Amino acid sequence: DQQVKQNSPSLSVQEGRISILNCDYTNSMFDYFLWYKKYPAEGPTFLISISSIKDKNEDGRFTVFLNKSAKHLSLHIVPSQPGDSAVYFCAASAQTGNQFYFGTGTSLTVIP
Amino acid sequence: KAGVTQTPRYLIKTRGQQVTLSCSPISGHRSVSWYQQTPGQGLQFLFEYFSETQRNKGNFPGRFSGRQFSNSRSEMNVSTLELGDSALYLCASSLLAGLGGDEQYFGPGTRLTVT
Repeated sequence: DQQVKQNSPSLSVQEGRISILNCDYTNSMFDYFLWYKKYPAEGPTFLISISSIKDKNEDGRFTVFLNKSAKHLSLHIVPSQPGDSAVYFCAASAQTGNQFYFGTGTSLTVIP
Repeated sequence: KAGVTQTPRYLIKTRGQQVTLSCSPISGHRSVSWYQQTPGQGLQFLFEYFSETQRNKGNFPGRFSGRQFSNSRSEMNVSTLELGDSALYLCASSLLAGLGGDEQYFGPGTRLTVT
């Protein structure tokens, strides 16, 4: 029933290395994808998005890749910094529905 | 510009009771969405209100209800609380309906514990 899945609940990475967070979805109608970052005791904040007409979107250290045939997207953080330690949620929506479906989150720890 | 505020921040209730949570959107924003966050399910969409009308509803039982006032403030009510309702309840506001990404702003959430 979970239409957006993040199969890795946690990830640890050394500072300066690449962090790769993965997300899979099941609904082929999804055409807009987002990543949010959440610190404890705060609400999620928008990080980066990608629409289905693209396969890559870059914003500074953050790049999102979309593989529509595999129904898979990933978030790359290069280089990783200790301040990136947070829970990352991916989310998806279809134009027609506008409701956002979120994954269960991946807790990223960047080790100094 | 003040962000999205949610009150109360923490709440402890007993099974069978009811609870009302409040969300004040960013000034000028007319859409408020509510989400439930639990460790196993992530964020799950509850409903969205726009201009005092429920625009969209997620797959939750009728015990979960909401409303929006003319000043765009929104309340969410859960009746006959169950242990499984323990969660972080987040609201998000946006200028227009159906927006996300950098156009949607989340509040810090209300942590509800049902005992």
